[in-house]
Amino acid sequence: KQEVTQIPAALSVPEGENLVLNCSFTDSAIYNLQWFRQDPGKGLTSLLLIQSSQREQTSGRLNASLDKSSGRSTLYIAASQPGDSATYLCAVMDSSYKLIFGSGTRLLVRP
Amino acid sequence: GAVVSQHPSRVICKSGTSVKIECRSLDFQATTMFWYRQFPKQSLMLMATSNEGSKATYEQGVEKDKFLINHASLTLSTLTVTSAHPEDSSFYICSARPGPGNTIYFGEGSWLTVV
Repeated sequence: KQEVTQIPAALSVPEGENLVLNCSFTDSAIYNLQWFRQDPGKGLTSLLLIQSSQREQTSGRLNASLDKSSGRSTLYIAASQPGDSATYLCAVMDSSYKLIFGSGTRLLVRP
Repeated sequence: GAVVSQHPSRVICKSGTSVKIECRSLDFQATTMFWYRQFPKQSLMLMATSNEGSKATYEQGVEKDKFLINHASLTLSTLTVTSAHPEDSSFYICSARPGPGNTIYFGEGSWLTVV
C-alpha cells in the first residue's frame, strides 16, 4: 500500500529565506507526483506536476524534484514571502489514477 | 484550463438528515471522478472512485451505505451523506479525470457541518 510522508509537519521561517519541503513515498510505481498548496479553509491549488519520467519541474520561485527510485521529492521555494504561507501537500498518483496525499507541511513565512 | 465545480460550497444540516454534494466537470467529460474527505488540519483521504455508469469503488473503512455516490453522466457525480452525524462534518472535495492520461482536476471543495 502506497504511503506518502511529508517532513517537516510545520515550518516557520523569516521572509526571504530559501526553504525545502520533503516528501517521500513507499512505492515507486507512480504515474506522477504533484505538489499542491492549500490555504486555510480552501481547496487545492496545483503548483507543480512531475511525470514519472521527469526529474524536476520549475515554476517561478518554485522548483520540484523527483527521484522515483529512492521514493523522494523535494519542493524548493526561493526567496520566501509572507504570501507563501499555506499548507503544502505532496501527492502521488498510483496505477489506478488515485492520488495518495501526504499529511502536508504547514508553512509560515514571517514578515 | 479545465474546471470542476462543486456545489454547495458550504452546507449546514441537522443530524439525521441527508445532504447531497454535486461535482460537475464544466468543460470536459470525466470518465472517472474521485471523492476525498479532509478533517481539520489533516490531509485528504480518498473515499471512493466513481466511474460513469457503474458502481463506485470505496476505499477500505468507508461505509458505502452512508456515503452514496452516483456518477450518472460524464459530467456529474454526486455524493450523498445519509443520516448525517456531527462526526461527518468535514471538507469534501472531488476531482475528475478527463480520460486517457493522468491529469486530474480538483473542485473547490464543500464544507459540511452537521449540527
